[in-house]
Amino acid sequence: SAVISQKPSRDICQRGTSLTIQCQVDSQVTMMFWYRQQPGQSLTLIATANQGSEATYESGFVIDKFPISRPNLTFSTLTVSNMSPEDSSIYLCSVQAQNTEAFFGQGTRLTVV
Amino acid sequence: GQNIDQPTEMTATEGAIVQINCTYQTSGFNGLFWYQQHAGEAPTFLSYNVLDGLEEKGRFSSFLSRSKGYSYLLLKELQMKDSASYLCAVLDRGSTLGRLYFGRGTQLTVWP
Repeated sequence: SAVISQKPSRDICQRGTSLTIQCQVDSQVTMMFWYRQQPGQSLTLIATANQGSEATYESGFVIDKFPISRPNLTFSTLTVSNMSPEDSSIYLCSVQAQNTEAFFGQGTRLTVV
Repeated sequence: GQNIDQPTEMTATEGAIVQINCTYQTSGFNGLFWYQQHAGEAPTFLSYNVLDGLEEKGRFSSFLSRSKGYSYLLLKELQMKDSASYLCAVLDRGSTLGRLYFGRGTQLTVWP
């Protein structure tokens, strides 16, 4: 199992600003995943964060908007840049070993005003 | 590509049994997960099926048929606390290790 500490748990931000979300895992993991969950929707993968290399982004998500850092095997950050109200969502980090369940952080509820 | 389909909403009464279906079409398959998500919280793991058949865990059971691309989650003796969204997710054996594809979730409401 893995325990993930994600912060902040929630924030209200002004449009045009940026927010960095942090995830700390209690064990070393090869890959971390960042998801977005818009109101009433399921989870959409933003990117996969690999230690020592650039993140791999899914279609519709770009590095300039969602830069990701992965400095070591237990930590990652996701930045939501130049925010607009459409970025209001829950952001979740996740880790998963091969062929096992995914563990999720508590989520960050972002509201952009 | 990946296509995962599950009903949007379901309702049931306390003590009843409910079955939530999930159908999927994926380019690679390495297992299917069910997660429970209460409003405002992160998803929590319920079950994992990689072989055909039924997996039972207390009040919850999950079934998989790989040939039909079909799974269901069975909840027995429903309780009010079971009101939540239930997410079906497929593990893809493709390009990214551990890549999960989620369905839109089924919002279950349990009435007294």
